[in-house]
Amino acid sequence: TQLLEQSPQFLSIQEGENLTVYCNSSSVFSSLQWYRQEPGEGPVLLVTVVTGGEVKKLKRLTFQFGDARKDSSLHITAAQPGDTGLYLCVGSRRGGADGLTFGKGTHLIIQP
Amino acid sequence: EAQVTQNPRYLITVTGKKLTVTCSQNMNHEYMSWYRQDPGLGLRQIYYSMNVEVTDKGDVPEGYKVSRKEKRNFPLILESPSPNQTSLYFCASSPLPGQGAHGYTFGSGTRLTVV
Repeated sequence: TQLLEQSPQFLSIQEGENLTVYCNSSSVFSSLQWYRQEPGEGPVLLVTVVTGGEVKKLKRLTFQFGDARKDSSLHITAAQPGDTGLYLCVGSRRGGADGLTFGKGTHLIIQP
Repeated sequence: EAQVTQNPRYLITVTGKKLTVTCSQNMNHEYMSWYRQDPGLGLRQIYYSMNVEVTDKGDVPEGYKVSRKEKRNFPLILESPSPNQTSLYFCASSPLPGQGAHGYTFGSGTRLTVV
């Protein structure tokens, strides 16, 4: 099983601050996805990145896929309490029949 | 609305009493999969299915069974549940994996407690 290491595991910051979450692996992925999971619910897809070096923006969230397609980052600008949740990075290997490789997630709390 | 529906949302059962958690998707996805989520361990794959009548073991298949008789349904069966199967379970579906841009749609989860 390939591993995706996420850091930090836990992050608690004040509303309005910026933050970055990292997802790293020694393996190459054909695509990488970021999900947000709220307590008691299933993960919800935020974005998929497929090209090395790709940057995608979703309002205050910026996602980047590493040039070598082994790592990714999620940057949140001016965090809001509604951003609170568990952020998961999930890698998919080209032609892989076994689905996904999950990071363990970053628990993010934005305090008002 | 495109969705993955799991039932039940909550279940408390006793050791050894067979149970089934149902999963249904309305998106005509080929791929379906079951995961369990435990504190400190993240999401781990139990079983997956690439299409009807095609199922394969994931990382933690022991104690579980699945079937894929229809494209839309992928039930998870615990023949003889044990307390170590107490967990939060998720079903997910997607167009075939490994094809880059497709995301996965997850159900809302089933919280199972085995006493």
